[in-house]
Amino acid sequence: GENVEQHPSTLSVQEGDSAVIKCTYSDSASNYFPWYKQELGKRPQLIIDIRSNVGEKKDQRIAVTLNKTAKHFSLHITETQPEDSAVYFCAAPFNAGGTSYGKLTFGQGTILTVHP
Amino acid sequence: KAGVTQTPRYLIKTRGQQVTLSCSPISGHRSVSWYQQTPGQGLQFLFEYFSETQRNKGNFPGRFSGRQFSNSRSEMNVSTLELGDSALYLCASSLGSGSKNIQYFGAGTRLSVL
Repeated sequence: GENVEQHPSTLSVQEGDSAVIKCTYSDSASNYFPWYKQELGKRPQLIIDIRSNVGEKKDQRIAVTLNKTAKHFSLHITETQPEDSAVYFCAAPFNAGGTSYGKLTFGQGTILTVHP
Repeated sequence: KAGVTQTPRYLIKTRGQQVTLSCSPISGHRSVSWYQQTPGQGLQFLFEYFSETQRNKGNFPGRFSGRQFSNSRSEMNVSTLELGDSALYLCASSLGSGSKNIQYFGAGTRLSVL
């Protein structure tokens, strides 16, 4: 099965700084890597995802990079704002027999705190 | 379009009881996955249903079960509750069942077992 390791577990930055969260995965067949943001008491919400046929994807202040050879992917947030404070989860599909059947394996989460 | 709806939002039960949680997916979505979220274990996959069939199952005991109806709504049941079952139970729906289908989460049901 898939194993996803996420680091760091906590990250504290000053407003305006950049934040980087890294994840490694074990299953070389994984081909889709979403990132979710979960604010306190709220549902996880997809903020960006990347398919295995590209190395980078950007959406305003958020970017994700993928290194398939090394089996790791990273979330980059630039010009952080206090409202970016949340728990961020990376995930990868569990592939069994060529299809994941809707199962995502999540990293342990990163608590990001942006200080004003 | 309405999002994923989970009911009830909060539940308090005692050990040994059973509980049923409900999840209504986004209209048109046929896949429903269930996850358990705890501070210590994070988000862990329970099972996934597609077209009323369980397609994948996580490493949880047989006390955890689920089903999906013809309208794609899903229920999960936990029997003989234990203190360790206290958690936030999240369901997620997606259009299809492939690995690249985006999963949209509901707000969750917070279960407390006393």
